[in-house]
Amino acid sequence: KAGVTQTPRYLIKTRGQQVTLSCSPISGHRSVSWYQQTPGQGLQFLFEYFSETQRNKGNFPGRFSGRQFSNSRSEMNVSTLELGDSALYLCASSLVKTSDYNEQFFGPGTRLTVL
Amino acid sequence: GQSLEQPSEVTAVEGAIVQINCTYQTSGFYGLSWYQQHDGGAPTFLSYNALDGLEETGRFSSFLSRSDSYGYLLLQELQMKDSASYFCAVRAPPNRDDKIIFGKGTRLHILP
Repeated sequence: KAGVTQTPRYLIKTRGQQVTLSCSPISGHRSVSWYQQTPGQGLQFLFEYFSETQRNKGNFPGRFSGRQFSNSRSEMNVSTLELGDSALYLCASSLVKTSDYNEQFFGPGTRLTVL
Repeated sequence: GQSLEQPSEVTAVEGAIVQINCTYQTSGFYGLSWYQQHDGGAPTFLSYNALDGLEETGRFSSFLSRSDSYGYLLLQELQMKDSASYFCAVRAPPNRDDKIIFGKGTRLHILP
């Protein structure tokens, strides 16, 4: 069974641009969560999608948004990029809502660098 | 507020036992999880404690005490491949944003 895949793996953008990251969960998994990982802040929750609906959202500005498609694939978008958005963005999938089942499977992440 | 505290770094010797602690200031949660992340890799799930007590999975064990707001991950018979970062995580309840909160991670260094 294929794992969680994320594209692209690496991305370099400049301030003010926008970016879209993609995540394909494990086949059959319906929940996708997004996290931002930085050396200083660790793993911070961005949002979770289940059955195309956003279930909850972390404490990030509105520039961060996402969506989930009917095949459970998810995208996250960051608009008006800032230097502080440079981070590893991780996607995690789980079979059901994370409140019902705790194990998440993480993808390799997208390393975003904002210049 | 909701936060998890872990030591930033721990050093141990190959073959020994090490304990990584996690204390939390979260009012109510759905259980404590542990994840391992090697440099350049993705976090991988290690264990989950829904109830108080000890859960054992091979060389790894995890413990939770809700009354003490405390948990730990115990790694036995340490191997060099166990050098990684370890994160504890809790799930806040629906009335507290219903999201997963991660600690900042503990970097485990293993000496030969």
